[in-house]
Amino acid sequence: QKEVEQDPGPLSVPEGAIVSLNCTYSNSAFQYFMWYRQYSRKGPELLMYTYSSGNKEDGRFTAQVDKSSKYISLFIRDSQPSDSATYLCAILMDSSYKLIFGSGTRLLVRP
Amino acid sequence: DAGVIQSPRHEVTEMGQEVTLRCKPISGHDYLFWYRQTMMRGLELLIYFNNNVPIDDSGMPEDRFSAKMPNASFSTLKIQPSEPRDSAVYFCASSLRGSFNQPQHFGDGTRLSIL
Repeated sequence: QKEVEQDPGPLSVPEGAIVSLNCTYSNSAFQYFMWYRQYSRKGPELLMYTYSSGNKEDGRFTAQVDKSSKYISLFIRDSQPSDSATYLCAILMDSSYKLIFGSGTRLLVRP
Repeated sequence: DAGVIQSPRHEVTEMGQEVTLRCKPISGHDYLFWYRQTMMRGLELLIYFNNNVPIDDSGMPEDRFSAKMPNASFSTLKIQPSEPRDSAVYFCASSLRGSFNQPQHFGDGTRLSIL
């Protein structure tokens, strides 16, 4: 079993829709969770990070962690064509500074 | 401020040749990471350095791969001899202190094709 699982998509939505992106993870000891965004032919860039359970909001983006079900989510409100990218969830192994990435979900927001 | 700079952006070479990928991290960052991204395996950590010292190279696939960081502003990833299955996008990233709230800043990658 992979340590982090993510649906590769692609996910296609109309502009203005609410987008939900999800990952599951296997190790209940993980505590640091991140979302990276990767545009085509570019490196990933950090979008949001959360520690332990709960929600974190930043503008149109909300990151949510449910440790009981080992499930992490990223919600995008009022999605824009500029949000079209691949979104990667990542978990930081705090003992070693190693990031474990999901395979990424490709999102297309249609104008 | 310049971000992480990788060179070359694209590399096409024949099987058996030596390949050297280069990375200049962000000035002042003390952690440097090398990743490989493929469709099949996603983004995988190969090796990372702290203050120019390799800390964990457990992700390096084979002895054909080697990485060095001779100083704080330069790192190389070398593949010798190269094989077609090494074709991937290789990313370098750097961060300050390596903790979760210090993001890893990625370069734009080197797209490597081994024929």
